[in-house]
Amino acid sequence: DAGVIQSPRHEVTEMGQEVTLRCKPISGHNSLFWYRQTMMRGLELLIYFNNNVPIDDSGMPEDRFSAKMPNASFSTLKIQPSEPRDSAVYFCASSFRSPSFGQRRSYNEQFFGPGTRLTVL
Amino acid sequence: AQSVTQLDSQVPVFEEAPVELRCNYSSSVSVYLFWYVQYPNQGLQLLLKYLSGSTLVESINGFEAEFNKSQTSFHLRKPSVHISDTAEYFCAVCMNTGFQKLVFGTGTRLLVSP
Repeated sequence: DAGVIQSPRHEVTEMGQEVTLRCKPISGHNSLFWYRQTMMRGLELLIYFNNNVPIDDSGMPEDRFSAKMPNASFSTLKIQPSEPRDSAVYFCASSFRSPSFGQRRSYNEQFFGPGTRLTVL
Repeated sequence: AQSVTQLDSQVPVFEEAPVELRCNYSSSVSVYLFWYVQYPNQGLQLLLKYLSGSTLVESINGFEAEFNKSQTSFHLRKPSVHISDTAEYFCAVCMNTGFQKLVFGTGTRLLVSP
């Protein structure tokens, strides 16, 4: 299994440009998470999809950020327009949410991709 | 809401010495607890987890953590560290029901030197 795949691994862009980050979850997983990691705020959950449907996007910082999951094997996180404060490492993670989800003593491990390091100049 | 505190941002230690990375959490409901490890330029990997049962949990590479409900702690320990243990370690919690949103601490960088 190739694990969670993210592209690009590094992105350098200028303020005002559109940035698109891509994620391919592990085959068979039905939940996908986008996280942002910064020195100031640590790791933050931006958005969570289950069965391709956004369930919780309360962590999305503002309207400049949008995420889509058109099918079970692909998701994008888009920033338009980008700003220097968006510079961070963006992680995608996936998991399998089982039918017993919600019951005590079950946990669906999240597997993380290698991340995309975004620098906005 | 849950929160996680990792008081030590960096812990330097010599090879073969013992180490403890501290983690305290706050939650009004029962939680699951985790330690993740992040090696340079890589994503996070689950190191160990506490869901229920024995309060002492172990990883395959010699780390262990003990859930202490009265002290709301989940400290990570290793009796003898290796150079290869140099990494950033994140403590995390989530509710044990419903949407299992992980809440992470700010991380502790473990620096092992010869």
